[in-house]
Amino acid sequence: EVQLVESGGGLVQPGGSLRLSCTASGFTFSTYWINWVRQAPGKGLEWVANINQDGSQKSYVDSVKGRFTISRDNAKNSLYLQMNSLRAEDTAVYYCAGGPAAGYWGQGTLVTVSS
Amino acid sequence: QAVVTQEPSLTVSPGGTVTLTCGSSTGAVTSGHYPYWFQQKPGQAPRTLIYDTSNKHSWTPARFSGSLLGGKATLTLSGAQPEDEAEYYCLLCYRGPWVFGGGTKLTVL
Repeated sequence: EVQLVESGGGLVQPGGSLRLSCTASGFTFSTYWINWVRQAPGKGLEWVANINQDGSQKSYVDSVKGRFTISRDNAKNSLYLQMNSLRAEDTAVYYCAGGPAAGYWGQGTLVTVSS
Repeated sequence: QAVVTQEPSLTVSPGGTVTLTCGSSTGAVTSGHYPYWFQQKPGQAPRTLIYDTSNKHSWTPARFSGSLLGGKATLTLSGAQPEDEAEYYCLLCYRGPWVFGGGTKLTVL
């Protein structure tokens, strides 16, 4: 069974940091691009970042450039998102999505940035 | 970054046909944008329906189809079912950054 399981969300103060993880199983993780996508409460989907198979190519939405870093560890079938200098507008459910034709999604982890 | 546009809401009758569109602020949507379509129901994670304009996953109901028409990507639902009521998002790839549209709330009524 294919699974993507996010973890690491929680409540953090503005300016703080958080590291999200996404662990994959049931498919060959190392052969696919993987994305982070977020959804603020009551809002639409927003693509955040993606990374290629060996981690040599990374792209980010403008609003997180310089603050967020995407990385992966293929030996651990894991994807990460290091989030620094967090702002209230980063509050959202964060999903990892990838696999063949971006067909696999996790259930998401909630990040709340608030004092 | 580019802006991707969708109809905010559409309504279709049960058994009817509806077409959702996806446009780009940079010009015509082409196959080079690898258009995707996702379905999201309340409280659930999104589900990928269509990739690379018109390709379906194994779980995509046959009543959904994707294409390019008039400079936009389109998602057509033929024979709408009550369970198709959901939010639908398109996504376009811009040589690195990906951009979602704002979503179309589809009501089956």
